[in-house]
Amino acid sequence: DSGVTQTPKHLITATGQRVTLRCSPRSGDLSVYWYQQSLDQGLQFLIQYYNGEERAKGNILERFSAQQFPDLHSELNLSSLELGDSALYFCASSVVGTGNEQYFGPGTRLTVT
Amino acid sequence: AQSVTQLGSHVSVSEGALVLLRCNYSSSVPPYLFWYVQYPNQGLQLLLKYTTGATLVKGINGFEAEFKKSETSFHLTKPSAHMSDAAEYFCAVNSLTSGTYKYIFGTGTRLKVLA
Repeated sequence: DSGVTQTPKHLITATGQRVTLRCSPRSGDLSVYWYQQSLDQGLQFLIQYYNGEERAKGNILERFSAQQFPDLHSELNLSSLELGDSALYFCASSVVGTGNEQYFGPGTRLTVT
Repeated sequence: AQSVTQLGSHVSVSEGALVLLRCNYSSSVPPYLFWYVQYPNQGLQLLLKYTTGATLVKGINGFEAEFKKSETSFHLTKPSAHMSDAAEYFCAVNSLTSGTYKYIFGTGTRLKVLA
């Protein structure tokens, strides 16, 4: 158990809909990262937050957005969903500073039908 | 810009044989290097990491990796493969880019262990 929790574990929705994925980092971790993993594109970094502020952006679509709240949990919002958005979405957290590993949650499997 | 290259998206070894998964990185500053493992339907878990000091790093489950600056490599090895090692392995680099430390993951290598 990494200490990172993600809800829900599974999500099935229709094209055009909007969903919210939730992540609670390990106690004490200020950084949260979001990743998308699919068979055709592998593990893709989406976005990082540090203590409530956006720190780095990766291959995140404009239809996607995220935020980190004062209690440090984070939410990833996916809107106008397309079939190609079906994937595993991982959240990871880390301690502040360099050389620190990321701790991954179990993921949310999103299926868009 | 930093990058990570994992040679071989799929590697098969026999049980008991040497495991060698290759990772090369590109970074303009000394990097921090990691190997993660992902078992089916799970998140990634840290196997080992290199930050500073000894270049041979030992991790969990009998894995180790050696940082070779001259070759810009961080290959993962295990002397004797077990069936339970079948998983996907990711190399990652964390280094300073434009004033921010960023993580870059490789594309992963899926290890298959043959009985």
